Amino acid sequence: AQTVTQSQPEMSVQEAETVTLSCTYDTSESDYYLFWYKQPPSRQMILVIRQEAYKQQNATENRFSVNFQKAAKSFSLKISDSQLGDAAMYFCAYRSTITTPMRFGAGTRLTVKP
Amino acid sequence: GAGVSQSPSNKVTEKGKDVELRCDPISGHTALYWYRQRLGQGLEFLIYFQGNSAPDKSGLPSDRFSAERTGESVSTLTIQRTQQEDSAVYLCASSLRGRASYNEQFFGPGTRLTVL
Repeated sequence: AQTVTQSQPEMSVQEAETVTLSCTYDTSESDYYLFWYKQPPSRQMILVIRQEAYKQQNATENRFSVNFQKAAKSFSLKISDSQLGDAAMYFCAYRSTITTPMRFGAGTRLTVKP
Repeated sequence: GAGVSQSPSNKVTEKGKDVELRCDPISGHTALYWYRQRLGQGLEFLIYFQGNSAPDKSGLPSDRFSAERTGESVSTLTIQRTQQEDSAVYLCASSLRGRASYNEQFFGPGTRLTVL
């Protein structure tokens, strides 16, 4: 079964600075999808960014971008110009093209300091 | 409504009691998922519904857990004879087509279940 590992339980960043959250995964499949979700204290999971494994180009969404290293099975999230509203739990997730369950990492709690 | 809704928001129950959790997906979404999130942990897949197909129950932890969905509407997750280890937030998500794996899953706010 695929596993997703987030090695940083907590991270902090100064407002307006840049922070990178790490994620690695284990799979034997060549085609799959990767996601970063944000969960603020309201508990509502919000999709931040997603990447298709067959695409070489790293996905970007405004201040959010990923560094997808397929050979290393790494999928890190970079948040630029951090804002107070970015404070939340961030979950990395993997989804196979074959099976339906989305596999989530344990999460990284991001604190943004004013 | 515009998003996925879940009820109740919080549920406190005594060990041994049965509980029912409800999920209203986004209208038109054929796929519906239930996840469990224990304190400080990631999401754990429980069950998946896709239209009128047989549900994928591979994530249900025991036979005390069951879920139903009528067509493409409301789903209920039932936990019988609750135990303290069932305490968690139960999240529901829906998406347009489950098999199109790239489709975004929209999550509800969850139900926090506490078993005393």
